[in-house]
Amino acid sequence: DVQMTQSPSSLSASIGDRITITCRASEDIMRYLAWFQQTPGKAPKSLIFGASILYSGVPSRFSGGGSGTDFTLTISSLQPEDFATYYCQQYRHYPLTFGGGTKVEIK
Amino acid sequence: QLHLQESGPGLVKPSETLSLICNVFGGSIGNDKDYWGWIRQPPGTGLEWIGTIYRDGVTYINPSLKSRVVISLGSSKTQFFLNVNSMTVADTAVYYCARRHNIGAHWSFDIWGPGILVTVSS
Repeated sequence: DVQMTQSPSSLSASIGDRITITCRASEDIMRYLAWFQQTPGKAPKSLIFGASILYSGVPSRFSGGGSGTDFTLTISSLQPEDFATYYCQQYRHYPLTFGGGTKVEIK
Repeated sequence: QLHLQESGPGLVKPSETLSLICNVFGGSIGNDKDYWGWIRQPPGTGLEWIGTIYRDGVTYINPSLKSRVVISLGSSKTQFFLNVNSMTVADTAVYYCARRHNIGAHWSFDIWGPGILVTVSS
């Protein structure tokens, strides 16, 4: 199985901060990577696929990068609605696997 | 606008079989650019992919669950199903159904149901 490792597992930041979350795959997944945002009690929301392609309606302050084994999710200016848990997921190989999540909290 | 909704029991006894339905509203399971999947999330933890089915009935199941899981299609093309047998306390989780949609070379989950909490307890 492809192991997905996210770092950090949690971070504290302020409104307006720029933050970056890292996701590392245990083997080459090319650009077959997605990012999801989840707030408490809600289903995940799809943010990015293809490592860097934003779904329609996702604010442009979100950006994704990377390929192969190392990927990033960046939020350029944190907004109140961005405080959530973020998950990466690879879809290059079965079984599909998720990272452990990064919780973004208000400082 | 397509949306999904899970339905089923919120409480299952140990050793029993869980049966969930995912209802597809505003669309059809028959689209050749879609797979349909189940993902679960135990309380306070991360996401685990259970399995995926295509319109022809071909399934891909997580090997960690393969001996206990069956995913199938409904005859109406607006439902698909999840069955998990021999449920234990470790299977307590929120269960989500989701669409895995094709854009170019990418097949990614883009639409999720709200989820249903299933508790395993006697």
